[in-house]
Amino acid sequence: ILNVEQSPQSLHVQEGDSTNFTCSFPSSNFYALHWYRWETAKSPEALFVMTLNGDEKKKGRISATLNTKEGYSYLYIKGSQPEDSATYLCASQTGANNLFFGTGTRLTVIP
Amino acid sequence: NAGVTQTPKFRVLKTGQSMTLLCAQDMNHEYMYWYRQDPGMGLRLIHYSVGEGTTAKGEVPDGYNVSRLKKQNFLLGLESAAPSQTSVYFCASSRMTGANVLTFGAGSRLTVL
Repeated sequence: ILNVEQSPQSLHVQEGDSTNFTCSFPSSNFYALHWYRWETAKSPEALFVMTLNGDEKKKGRISATLNTKEGYSYLYIKGSQPEDSATYLCASQTGANNLFFGTGTRLTVIP
Repeated sequence: NAGVTQTPKFRVLKTGQSMTLLCAQDMNHEYMYWYRQDPGMGLRLIHYSVGEGTTAKGEVPDGYNVSRLKKQNFLLGLESAAPSQTSVYFCASSRMTGANVLTFGAGSRLTVL
């Protein structure tokens, strides 16, 4: 069992603000780091999977970085929109089938 | 493409009853997983399968059984339901092992009275 921590637990931002969240994970036995976006009443959808220290991924206004040496990943959202409101999950993968999820950061974007 | 389909979406059981949750995927994925999601906790892996005819235990396997008789289907069974198994269950699949993303189903909410 791996302790994956996400902060903050919840966040309210104004439309147009940029924001970021943190995912912390043990750096030993690291294999990959996943980010998922989970809208209410829907299923989690994959955003990024990163494997290498220093990896940066971007999809539209959302980007993520990875530091495997210190065990953290940041997710950034630029110019938040109401449709960005969701829970953002990260998961640390230690082996082929071992994904350990954090409890998520719930983002609410206020119009 | 339907992706990952879970049935039923909702179910209420009495303690001691049995039931089976069905997960079906049409993406020809090799790997399939069952997770449970409880308030204040991250998704926890119950069982997984790396291919037709094979299954393995995850983080919280007790009280559950699984079967993967066909590549596209992964069944999760509760032989004697307990209130502690009240949860939302998610099925997921992935193309192969390694750093591959999971495709999730919509979830099945199970309440055990």
